[in-house]
Amino acid sequence: ELKVEQNPLFLSMQEGKNYTIYCNYSTTSDRLYWYRQDPGKSLESLFVLLSNGAVKQEGRLMASLDTKARLSTLHITAAVHDLSATYFCAVDPTTDSWGKLQFGAGTQVVVTP
Amino acid sequence: EPEVTQTPSHQVTQMGQEVILRCVPISNHLYFYWYRQILGQKVEFLVSFYNNEISEKSEIFDDQFSVERPDGSNFTLKIRSTKLEDSAMYFCASSDSSSSYEQYFGPGTRLTVT
Repeated sequence: ELKVEQNPLFLSMQEGKNYTIYCNYSTTSDRLYWYRQDPGKSLESLFVLLSNGAVKQEGRLMASLDTKARLSTLHITAAVHDLSATYFCAVDPTTDSWGKLQFGAGTQVVVTP
Repeated sequence: EPEVTQTPSHQVTQMGQEVILRCVPISNHLYFYWYRQILGQKVEFLVSFYNNEISEKSEIFDDQFSVERPDGSNFTLKIRSTKLEDSAMYFCASSDSSSSYEQYFGPGTRLTVT
């Protein structure tokens, strides 16, 4: 069974500093997604990573995928308060099925001055 | 911008009752999903649906659950004989047939079983 592990689970960030969230998964997949969730809200798609070496950037967020290491990272540059949210990675186990996203536990990010 | 919609936003029901959660996926999408998130926990896959049949389902999706696409726009999740542990946020998602299969999530229905 596919396991998806995120760390850290909680991240207290200072404004202006850089941080990284890690997402490890246990079986082969070349389809990984990052979502943001604000309290009580739905999941907002941030990035879709579809191949080894994929790198996507949007504003202060950058995501990358290493399928050989089974690792994705979400890098936050110069954190600002409105990035406070919970961030989930989700892996699609494309080898034996598709669309059955397996989510990590989420990283709760709190950005303080 | 097209979006997935869900109704109701909050449903309170008594243990043992049946509930139907409704979703309207994005209109040109062909793949539909239900997930649930128990408060404070991770999002869990329940079921995927394509071409009027279930494609995949998780261990959670037992005989208590069923899905249906009753018409060209709605996608429903029925939970029979609800239990306290069914209390959760239920998200519907849809995706198209592009290579990314990116799933777009609705706002969710909060189900409270008392």
